[in-house]
Amino acid sequence: SYVLTQPPSLSVAPGQTASITCGGNNIGSKNVYWYQQKPGQAPVVVNVDRDRPSGIPERFSGSNSENTATLTISRVEPGDEADYFCQVWDSTSDHSYVFGTGTKVTVL
Amino acid sequence: QVQLQESGPGLVKPSETLSLTCSVSGGSISTSGNYWAWIRQPPEKGLEWIGSIYYRGSTYYNPSLRSRVTMSVDTSKNHFSLRLSSVTASDTAVYFCARLELLPGAIFPYYFDSWGQGTLVTVSS
Repeated sequence: SYVLTQPPSLSVAPGQTASITCGGNNIGSKNVYWYQQKPGQAPVVVNVDRDRPSGIPERFSGSNSENTATLTISRVEPGDEADYFCQVWDSTSDHSYVFGTGTKVTVL
Repeated sequence: QVQLQESGPGLVKPSETLSLTCSVSGGSISTSGNYWAWIRQPPEKGLEWIGSIYYRGSTYYNPSLRSRVTMSVDTSKNHFSLRLSSVTASDTAVYFCARLELLPGAIFPYYFDSWGQGTLVTVSS
Protein backbone atom coordinates (compact mmCIF):
# COMPACT_ATOMS: atom_id res chain seq x y z
CA SER A 1 0.00 0.00 0.00
CA TYR A 2 1.00 3.59 -0.55
CA VAL A 3 2.78 5.32 2.34
CA LEU A 4 2.99 9.04 3.13
CA THR A 5 5.61 10.20 5.61
CA GLN A 6 5.57 13.50 7.50
CA PRO A 7 7.87 14.90 10.21
CA PRO A 8 6.20 14.41 13.62
CA SER A 9 6.63 17.99 14.74
CA LEU A 10 7.67 21.46 13.68
CA SER A 11 8.15 24.62 15.72
CA VAL A 12 7.95 28.09 14.24
CA ALA A 13 7.93 31.64 15.60
CA PRO A 14 5.04 33.98 14.84
CA GLY A 15 5.52 35.84 11.58
CA GLN A 16 7.90 33.23 10.20
CA THR A 17 7.28 30.58 7.53
CA ALA A 18 6.42 26.95 8.23
CA SER A 19 7.10 24.31 5.60
CA ILE A 20 5.47 20.94 6.22
CA THR A 21 6.65 18.09 4.02
CA CYS A 22 4.88 14.93 2.89
CA GLY A 23 7.03 12.24 1.33
CA GLY A 24 5.74 9.51 -0.97
CA ASN A 25 6.95 7.47 -3.91
CA ASN A 26 6.46 9.63 -7.01
CA ILE A 27 3.96 11.79 -5.13
CA GLY A 28 4.55 14.47 -7.74
CA SER A 29 2.30 12.49 -10.07
CA LYS A 30 -0.62 12.64 -7.64
CA ASN A 31 -3.01 15.28 -6.38
CA VAL A 32 -2.26 16.07 -2.74
CA TYR A 33 -4.66 17.50 -0.19
CA TRP A 34 -3.85 19.05 3.17
CA TYR A 35 -5.95 19.17 6.33
CA GLN A 36 -5.64 21.21 9.49
CA GLN A 37 -6.93 19.66 12.71
CA LYS A 38 -7.16 21.52 15.98
CA PRO A 39 -7.62 19.67 19.31
CA GLY A 40 -11.05 18.14 19.70
CA GLN A 41 -12.15 19.19 16.21
CA ALA A 42 -12.63 17.54 12.85
CA PRO A 43 -10.04 18.13 10.14
CA VAL A 44 -10.56 21.02 7.74
CA VAL A 45 -9.10 21.01 4.23
CA VAL A 46 -6.70 23.93 3.74
CA ASN A 47 -5.13 23.07 0.40
CA VAL A 48 -6.54 21.26 -2.60
CA ASP A 49 -3.86 20.16 -5.06
CA ARG A 50 -1.93 23.44 -4.95
CA ASP A 51 -5.13 25.52 -4.68
CA ARG A 52 -6.91 26.96 -1.67
CA PRO A 53 -10.56 26.23 -0.89
CA SER A 54 -12.71 29.30 -0.41
CA GLY A 55 -12.28 30.85 2.99
CA ILE A 56 -8.72 29.65 3.49
CA PRO A 57 -6.16 32.47 3.90
CA GLU A 58 -3.67 33.13 1.14
CA ARG A 59 -0.94 32.37 3.67
CA PHE A 60 -1.54 28.65 3.00
CA SER A 61 -0.02 27.33 -0.21
CA GLY A 62 0.96 23.95 -1.59
CA SER A 63 3.57 22.56 -3.93
CA ASN A 64 4.39 19.09 -5.17
CA SER A 65 7.31 17.64 -7.06
CA GLU A 66 8.92 14.24 -7.50
CA ASN A 67 8.82 12.52 -4.10
CA THR A 68 7.82 15.42 -1.82
CA ALA A 69 4.75 17.59 -1.40
CA THR A 70 4.94 20.69 0.79
CA LEU A 71 2.39 22.83 2.59
CA THR A 72 3.78 26.29 3.27
CA ILE A 73 2.26 28.59 5.87
CA SER A 74 3.52 32.15 5.50
CA ARG A 75 3.43 34.76 8.27
CA VAL A 76 2.51 32.13 10.85
CA GLU A 77 -0.07 33.16 13.46
CA PRO A 78 -0.79 31.60 16.87
CA GLY A 79 -4.11 30.30 15.46
CA ASP A 80 -2.19 28.13 13.00
CA GLU A 81 -1.05 25.85 15.81
CA ALA A 82 -2.56 22.48 14.93
CA ASP A 83 -1.91 19.05 13.46
CA TYR A 84 -1.56 18.92 9.68
CA PHE A 85 -2.17 15.85 7.53
CA CYS A 86 -1.53 15.27 3.83
CA GLN A 87 -3.75 12.91 1.83
CA VAL A 88 -3.84 11.33 -1.62
CA TRP A 89 -6.22 9.14 -3.54
CA ASP A 90 -4.57 5.86 -4.52
CA SER A 91 -6.18 4.61 -7.70
CA THR A 92 -4.03 1.47 -7.67
CA SER A 93 -5.38 0.16 -4.37
CA ASP A 94 -9.14 -0.22 -4.72
CA HIS A 95 -9.73 3.54 -4.79
CA SER A 96 -8.16 3.99 -1.36
CA TYR A 97 -7.55 7.23 0.46
CA VAL A 98 -4.20 7.45 2.23
CA PHE A 99 -3.31 9.95 4.94
CA GLY A 100 0.13 11.06 5.98
CA THR A 101 1.41 10.41 9.48
CA GLY A 102 0.71 13.96 10.56
CA THR A 103 2.79 16.94 11.71
CA LYS A 104 2.15 18.88 14.88
CA VAL A 105 2.94 22.55 14.31
CA THR A 106 3.76 24.53 17.43
CA VAL A 107 3.84 28.32 17.32
CA LEU A 108 6.47 29.51 19.76
CA GLN B 1 -23.79 23.75 3.36
CA VAL B 2 -24.14 20.05 4.11
CA GLN B 3 -23.76 18.99 7.74
CA LEU B 4 -22.97 15.54 9.08
CA GLN B 5 -23.59 14.08 12.53
CA GLU B 6 -22.38 10.74 13.84
CA SER B 7 -24.39 8.71 16.35
CA GLY B 8 -24.08 5.36 18.04
CA PRO B 9 -22.86 3.60 21.19
CA GLY B 10 -19.75 5.01 22.80
CA LEU B 11 -18.78 1.69 24.34
CA VAL B 12 -18.54 -1.68 22.60
CA LYS B 13 -17.37 -4.98 24.04
CA PRO B 14 -14.49 -6.91 22.48
CA SER B 15 -15.53 -9.38 19.76
CA GLU B 16 -18.84 -7.56 19.23
CA THR B 17 -19.91 -5.35 16.31
CA LEU B 18 -19.50 -1.59 16.28
CA SER B 19 -22.43 0.20 14.62
CA LEU B 20 -22.55 3.91 13.77
CA THR B 21 -24.87 6.12 11.74
CA CYS B 22 -24.14 9.40 10.03
CA SER B 23 -27.10 11.72 9.51
CA VAL B 24 -26.84 14.18 6.65
CA SER B 25 -28.62 17.55 6.71
CA GLY B 26 -28.58 20.56 4.42
CA GLY B 27 -28.50 18.36 1.35
CA SER B 28 -29.60 15.03 -0.07
CA ILE B 29 -27.52 11.93 0.37
CA SER B 30 -28.69 10.98 -3.13
CA THR B 31 -27.12 14.00 -4.83
CA SER B 32 -25.29 12.83 -7.92
CA GLY B 33 -21.54 12.87 -7.47
CA ASN B 34 -21.56 12.83 -3.67
CA TYR B 35 -19.85 9.93 -1.96
CA TRP B 36 -19.89 9.28 1.76
CA ALA B 37 -17.10 7.99 3.95
CA TRP B 38 -15.97 6.86 7.38
CA ILE B 39 -12.57 7.78 8.79
CA ARG B 40 -11.19 7.00 12.22
CA GLN B 41 -8.49 8.38 14.49
CA PRO B 42 -7.13 6.41 17.47
CA PRO B 43 -6.28 8.58 20.49
CA GLU B 44 -3.22 10.73 19.84
CA LYS B 45 -2.69 9.10 16.43
CA GLY B 46 -3.29 9.78 12.76
CA LEU B 47 -6.24 9.42 10.42
CA GLU B 48 -7.27 6.15 8.77
CA TRP B 49 -9.81 5.86 5.96
CA ILE B 50 -12.25 3.01 6.63
CA GLY B 51 -14.44 3.04 3.54
CA SER B 52 -16.68 4.97 1.16
CA ILE B 53 -20.12 4.44 -0.33
CA TYR B 54 -22.19 5.93 -3.13
CA TYR B 55 -25.94 6.29 -2.64
CA ARG B 56 -26.56 3.71 -5.34
CA GLY B 57 -24.72 1.16 -3.20
CA SER B 58 -21.19 0.99 -4.60
CA THR B 59 -18.73 0.46 -1.76
CA TYR B 60 -14.96 0.84 -1.40
CA TYR B 61 -13.18 -0.43 1.68
CA ASN B 62 -9.71 -0.10 3.15
CA PRO B 63 -8.02 -3.39 2.25
CA SER B 64 -6.75 -3.75 5.82
CA LEU B 65 -10.31 -3.64 7.21
CA ARG B 66 -12.33 -5.08 4.35
CA SER B 67 -13.06 -8.43 6.00
CA ARG B 68 -14.75 -6.72 8.95
CA VAL B 69 -16.45 -3.65 7.41
CA THR B 70 -19.93 -3.18 5.99
CA MET B 71 -21.33 0.17 4.89
CA SER B 72 -24.88 0.93 3.82
CA VAL B 73 -27.06 3.87 2.79
CA ASP B 74 -30.69 4.61 3.70
CA THR B 75 -31.89 7.28 1.28
CA SER B 76 -35.31 7.52 2.94
CA LYS B 77 -33.67 8.60 6.19
CA ASN B 78 -30.86 10.54 4.52
CA HIS B 79 -28.21 8.70 6.45
CA PHE B 80 -25.52 6.10 5.98
CA SER B 81 -24.08 3.54 8.35
CA LEU B 82 -20.96 1.65 9.37
CA ARG B 83 -20.66 -1.80 10.88
CA LEU B 84 -17.28 -3.09 12.05
CA SER B 85 -17.30 -6.65 13.34
CA SER B 86 -15.08 -8.54 15.78
CA VAL B 87 -13.73 -5.40 17.40
CA THR B 88 -10.69 -5.30 19.65
CA ALA B 89 -9.09 -2.59 21.77
CA SER B 90 -7.17 -1.42 18.70
CA ASP B 91 -10.49 -0.29 17.18
CA THR B 92 -10.86 2.32 19.92
CA ALA B 93 -10.91 5.64 18.10
CA VAL B 94 -12.83 8.77 17.22
CA TYR B 95 -14.95 7.87 14.19
CA PHE B 96 -15.70 10.62 11.68
CA CYS B 97 -18.13 10.57 8.80
CA ALA B 98 -17.37 12.76 5.81
CA ARG B 99 -18.42 13.70 2.30
CA LEU B 100 -16.46 13.33 -0.90
CA GLU B 101 -17.62 15.39 -3.85
CA LEU B 102 -16.97 14.37 -7.44
CA LEU B 103 -15.72 17.56 -9.06
CA PRO B 104 -16.31 18.40 -12.75
CA GLY B 105 -13.80 16.61 -14.94
CA ALA B 106 -12.65 14.25 -12.19
CA ILE B 107 -12.85 10.50 -12.55
CA PHE B 108 -13.34 9.92 -8.83
CA PRO B 109 -13.80 12.07 -5.72
CA TYR B 110 -10.37 12.87 -4.38
CA TYR B 111 -10.73 14.47 -0.94
CA PHE B 112 -13.05 14.97 2.03
CA ASP B 113 -14.66 18.41 1.94
CA SER B 114 -17.15 18.16 4.82
CA TRP B 115 -16.78 16.30 8.09
CA GLY B 116 -18.88 15.42 11.09
CA GLN B 117 -17.62 16.39 14.53
CA GLY B 118 -16.63 12.80 15.32
CA THR B 119 -17.71 10.34 17.99
CA LEU B 120 -15.46 8.42 20.37
CA VAL B 121 -15.96 4.67 20.44
CA THR B 122 -14.17 2.71 23.14
CA VAL B 123 -13.77 -1.04 22.93
CA SER B 124 -13.66 -2.47 26.43
CA SER B 125 -15.31 -5.11 28.54
